[in-house]
Amino acid sequence: AQSVTQLDSQVPVFEEAPVELRCNYSSSVSVYLFWYVQYPNQGLQLLLKYLSGSTLVKGINGFEAEFNKSQTSFHLRKPSVHISDTAEYFCAVTKGIQGAQKLVFGQGTRLTINP
Amino acid sequence: GAVVSQHPSWVICKSGTSVKIECRSLDFQATTMFWYRQFPKQSLMLMATSNEGSKATYEQGVEKDKFLINHASLTLSTLTVTSAHPEDSSFYICSASVSGKNIQYFGAGTRLSVL
Repeated sequence: AQSVTQLDSQVPVFEEAPVELRCNYSSSVSVYLFWYVQYPNQGLQLLLKYLSGSTLVKGINGFEAEFNKSQTSFHLRKPSVHISDTAEYFCAVTKGIQGAQKLVFGQGTRLTINP
Repeated sequence: GAVVSQHPSWVICKSGTSVKIECRSLDFQATTMFWYRQFPKQSLMLMATSNEGSKATYEQGVEKDKFLINHASLTLSTLTVTSAHPEDSSFYICSASVSGKNIQYFGAGTRLSVL
């Protein structure tokens, strides 16, 4: 079984500062990893995904994440945040095989951008 | 691409009535759809996995007779909350996987309030 730990429940950051949201996972099999963003009263939007290949993946809205197999981490980063990045961010993991599989979510990190 | 539509976005109903929520994949075929429940300030909890043309697979602790799932076509799955009670009030979110792919795309969610 897979599990995900998001180490920070809340991250306050000033506008234009860099940010890192941490995510660690555990699994006995290979995995696919995802970051989703949720704005208030909305569903989840896919930010980026790691399936295979390059360990540095770039997503939408200037976000990127790096898959580190030895540290079982998939931290999300952005070099300069905007007020509009204020949202809840979820890291998720699934078995690294084709065909629909269950997603296991972390508890979420609330990113708040202050002016 | 990969747009998932969920309807209604918000519904209020009286205790004892049933409510149906629709989840549609607009621009792709989805063999598998998933239904999640999210409590305030918490992560998503998988309720069931819905495969087109077959019975849904429910997670442990989810009452299948209370949460009826139908996946009659490759673009539509429905969740019916039967005999709703105030404790069923929650945010329900569906997702869909492109056939053969292990990536989920999410609807915007339905907020259910049972009076």
